[in-house]
Amino acid sequence: DSGVTQTPKHLITATGQRVTLRCSPRSGDLSVYWYQQSLDQGLQFLIQYYNGEERAKGNILERFSAQQFPDLHSELNLSSLELGDSALYFCASSRQGIGELFFGEGSRLTVL
Amino acid sequence: SQQGEEDPQALSIQEGENATMNCSYKTSINNLQWYRQNSGRGLVHLILIRSNEREKHSGRLRVTLDTSKKSSSLLITASRAADTASYFCATTPGTYKYIFGTGTRLKVLA
Repeated sequence: DSGVTQTPKHLITATGQRVTLRCSPRSGDLSVYWYQQSLDQGLQFLIQYYNGEERAKGNILERFSAQQFPDLHSELNLSSLELGDSALYFCASSRQGIGELFFGEGSRLTVL
Repeated sequence: SQQGEEDPQALSIQEGENATMNCSYKTSINNLQWYRQNSGRGLVHLILIRSNEREKHSGRLRVTLDTSKKSSSLLITASRAADTASYFCATTPGTYKYIFGTGTRLKVLA
């Protein structure tokens, strides 16, 4: 158990809909990262927050947004969903900038 | 685009053999890390090597780093069926970014 909690584990929705994925980092970790992994693909970096502030942005679509709250949990919002958004979405946390990342078990999103 | 590219994309070996996978990256880095992913699960950190280190060991794992060639290798000795997984390298080109490679799918046959 990495200590990182992601909900929901599975989500099935229709095109055009909006979903919110939630992540609770390990106790004491200030950094949260979001990654997208499509079938048999590597991990695409989406966005990173540190203590509530956005610190780095990757290939995140304009239809996607994220935030980190004062209690350090984070949410990834995906809107106007398309079939191609079907993927595993991982959250990871770390204590500081470039140390070891701890991953949650992911949220599997299926868009029909 | 991906910072790291693993090679080979897939590797199948017999139990007891050694498995070697390579990672190439594009820009200068602070450190390089290797992670393991069992099918559909979250990634698990294996080992971190800093940019000023050339080799590091952890149990049956040996990692090398050649910053002049922008490459790293992960060696798993005496492989076991339980080592079957995907292995990813991750580089930190900046303070807050971790960029993952495309992964090597390792299958260890019992």
